[in-house]
Amino acid sequence: QSALTQPASVSGSPGQSITISCTGTSSDVGGYNYVSWYQHHPGKAPKLMIYDVSKRPSGVSNRFSGSKSGNTASLTISGLQAEDETDYYCSSYTSTTTWVFGGGTKLTVL
Amino acid sequence: QITLKESGPTLVKPTQTLTLTCTFSGFSISTSEVGVGWIRQPPGKALEWLALIFWNDDKRYSPSLKSRLTITKDTSKNQVVLTMTNMDPVDTATYFCAHTDCSSTSCRSGYLDYWGQGTLVTVSS
Repeated sequence: QSALTQPASVSGSPGQSITISCTGTSSDVGGYNYVSWYQHHPGKAPKLMIYDVSKRPSGVSNRFSGSKSGNTASLTISGLQAEDETDYYCSSYTSTTTWVFGGGTKLTVL
Repeated sequence: QITLKESGPTLVKPTQTLTLTCTFSGFSISTSEVGVGWIRQPPGKALEWLALIFWNDDKRYSPSLKSRLTITKDTSKNQVVLTMTNMDPVDTATYFCAHTDCSSTSCRSGYLDYWGQGTLVTVSS
């Protein structure tokens, strides 16, 4: 199975909103509502931000939201803050009954 | 409070077998709908999902690495062990273990809500 496709980088100014896409196929993203998003500061443990496409774990800011349309899932961060600058990964359940990550997106807060 | 910690060799030679141990606290892997997974990240590259074991001994492996991976659990020791055979320099990576819980959703969700800090494994002769 191939990694899900994410843009290598996105950027935005403080206070703005940005969206990170995660494109797969009907065998993963498009076939199931089991997409998760992780925030990963290098050298630290990844943090779960969104699961099951749009559910937010307890303690995660409501500035983070998730959605899906067809084979593409999206993570939107509103009210961008400097602390949001880091790497983000999507993950999806697949038809092989395993999971796959995306290639990662580096978010830069200008 | 759930915590996980990875342990194992920092350096392995090509063709050797890697054995990594994930020691956790704050939950039991014998509890229904709980699982522990392994993920790796080569330097400067993306996360890669490797394997996951559920409370009922259901095991899942990355299709591309399935022939080289074995995941087991030791409930009494609160540990999950991952072995990877025939190591190659391209397997150099930070290896993470993480907890999953499907009590509030389908186990196909596979979300990883608690992670260890990771352990760097270098493959070199």
